[in-house]
Amino acid sequence: ETGVTQSPTHLIKTRGQQVTLRCSSQSGHNTVSWYQQALGQGPQFIFQYYREEENGRGNFPPRFSGLQFPNYSSELNVNALELDDSALYLCASSSPGQGGYEQYFGPGTRLTVT
Amino acid sequence: AQKVTQAQTEISVVEKEDVTLDCVYETRDTTYYLFWYKQPPSGELVFLIRRNSFDEQNEISGRYSWNFQKSTSSFNFTITASQVVDSAVYFCALSDNFNKFYFGSGTKLNVKP
Repeated sequence: ETGVTQSPTHLIKTRGQQVTLRCSSQSGHNTVSWYQQALGQGPQFIFQYYREEENGRGNFPPRFSGLQFPNYSSELNVNALELDDSALYLCASSSPGQGGYEQYFGPGTRLTVT
Repeated sequence: AQKVTQAQTEISVVEKEDVTLDCVYETRDTTYYLFWYKQPPSGELVFLIRRNSFDEQNEISGRYSWNFQKSTSSFNFTITASQVVDSAVYFCALSDNFNKFYFGSGTKLNVKP
């Protein structure tokens, strides 16, 4: 069983640029959630995708957007990068449907905005 | 609104000591789920346990035990006879019925030899 994978591992961007982060969900999981984890903080929910549709969103501006593909992999796009966007971005996948299923996390993408 | 509070920012213990990590949550939902995750220095969150709001039974898994008390909205985690490999950041999380997770700010545990 393949776990959750994310790419790239590390990324350095300049303020104002755009970035795309990628996530492959664990086999059998059709729900993908994205989190932002600033240094020394807990992960903050960005949004969730279920069967290619956005299924809830946290308190993040519209310049954070996402996609989910038919194979349930997902992308997180961030436009007009700001210094505060520097963080670890975590992707998590879970079993379909009901609440309460544990989310399986990928290793994360470390984004640095200079 | 959902909220998880982990008041202990950092705890240091000597190997073989017992340590309890506190977690207090807030929710208006009657159905919810509580989790503990471990984040070692590598960064990947590792699932430890899940509890639903209807199951207040405490659980023990090896050196780990969890105490869930709805009356005080707490879900505390105890490590017995701590080991250096237990050093990590531990997160408590609350999930609503739609599988969105709300994490606390984490407790960094340092276990010294």
